[in-house]
Amino acid sequence: DAKTTQPNSMESNEEEPVHLPCNHSTISGTDYIHWYRQLPSQGPEYVIHGLTSNVNNRMASLAIAEDRKSSTLILHRATLRDAAVYYCIPYTNAGKSTFGDGTTLTVKP
Amino acid sequence: NAGVTQTPKFQVLKTGQSMTLQCAQDMNHNSMYWYRQDPGMGLRLIYYSASEGTTDKGEVPNGYNVSRLNKREFSLRLESAAPSQTSVYFCALRPGQLNSPLHFGNGTRLTVT
Repeated sequence: DAKTTQPNSMESNEEEPVHLPCNHSTISGTDYIHWYRQLPSQGPEYVIHGLTSNVNNRMASLAIAEDRKSSTLILHRATLRDAAVYYCIPYTNAGKSTFGDGTTLTVKP
Repeated sequence: NAGVTQTPKFQVLKTGQSMTLQCAQDMNHNSMYWYRQDPGMGLRLIYYSASEGTTDKGEVPNGYNVSRLNKREFSLRLESAAPSQTSVYFCALRPGQLNSPLHFGNGTRLTVT
């Protein structure tokens, strides 16, 4: 299974952009990259996913490196409600999605 | 997290006791999953079910059994609880379409003393 590496923690100021990196150098050619976030005392929630092209939705943007060995989740204007643990996951066809420890994002007012 | 109902929300067990965690969905999704999350850690897959009547082991299946008797429900059973099974247990769903996202319940907090 592909492994991911994410920083343990990051900090941001409110209303500033945040770039959350993820390395997935062993990802297979057909694995999508999924991102989830987990707010305190809740289950994870889906944020965004992509394969090769950059993707945008109402929550965030996802920038995928040309060699697909890394990706970056972009929150354009961080709010206090964005404070959470963010997980980057290569999505295997077998459905055995494995979550690492993620990145804990702290947003300062 | 409407669509995924986990019961109970909280449970305290003594070592050796048994219990079943229930997960029910009203989203008509094919695949269902059980994860555990220890304090400060990520989620680890215990078991999953790609469809009614089928189940497969995940990363950490020891000490657990599962049952998927119908499309709507996926239960997780601890036959003889141990303190190492103290954790938060999450049920998740996924439609059958390729690369569709997971949809999680709010979890069951289990403490084994």
